[in-house]
Amino acid sequence: GDSVTQMEGPVTLSEEAFLTINCTYTATGYPSLFWYVQYPGEGLQLLLKATKADDKGSNKGFEATYRKETTSFHLEKGSVQVSDSAVYFCALSDPGRTGGAQKLVFGQGTRLTINP
Amino acid sequence: NAGVTQTPKFQVLKTGQSMTLQCAQDMNHEYMSWYRQDPGMGLRLIHYSVGAGITDQGEVPNGYNVSRSTTEDFPLRLLSAAPSQTSVYFCASTYSGVDTDTQYFGPGTRLTVL
Repeated sequence: GDSVTQMEGPVTLSEEAFLTINCTYTATGYPSLFWYVQYPGEGLQLLLKATKADDKGSNKGFEATYRKETTSFHLEKGSVQVSDSAVYFCALSDPGRTGGAQKLVFGQGTRLTINP
Repeated sequence: NAGVTQTPKFQVLKTGQSMTLQCAQDMNHEYMSWYRQDPGMGLRLIHYSVGAGITDQGEVPNGYNVSRSTTEDFPLRLLSAAPSQTSVYFCASTYSGVDTDTQYFGPGTRLTVL
């Protein structure tokens, strides 16, 4: 079945550092790809998404590009802030299947801590 | 708009007890789902519903029941709690039309089964 693999955490960086969180996926169809973020004590919220190969999703200074050739969707940010401390989840859905658009398959999550 | 709400926020049960986790949304979303979040495993789909009166199983449905009598509410029932059900539970909802792949999550219920 479909699966998502994220880099192991936790990740600790200093403020203004460059961030990369790796994400690779396995899917039989043409999935949509997502990054969700979970701030302390809250539910998940969508950070960005891409629905087809070579699309770039971006939001709040974060970017990720849908790379079909490497089955990857790595999350990047050029200069992180303390407020970016959270858990980040990579996920996919398969809109080609009946009801598949609404069923998310998640990676294990990466906890990010940014120190001042 | 309150969005997706969940109650309770925390719950401690003894093995064998039953309880219902409540989930409600005020966005008129047709699709609702329940996930559990366990350390190192991300979120896994338990049950989902594509509309009132229609439910189906996800990846890890055993030990859980659901029903969908209204568009707004989607409760999750544990009939006989087990320690393996200790987890954080998230309810989510989304549209069935345009932008169907953006899910809106509730704040979660942290459940401990002793």
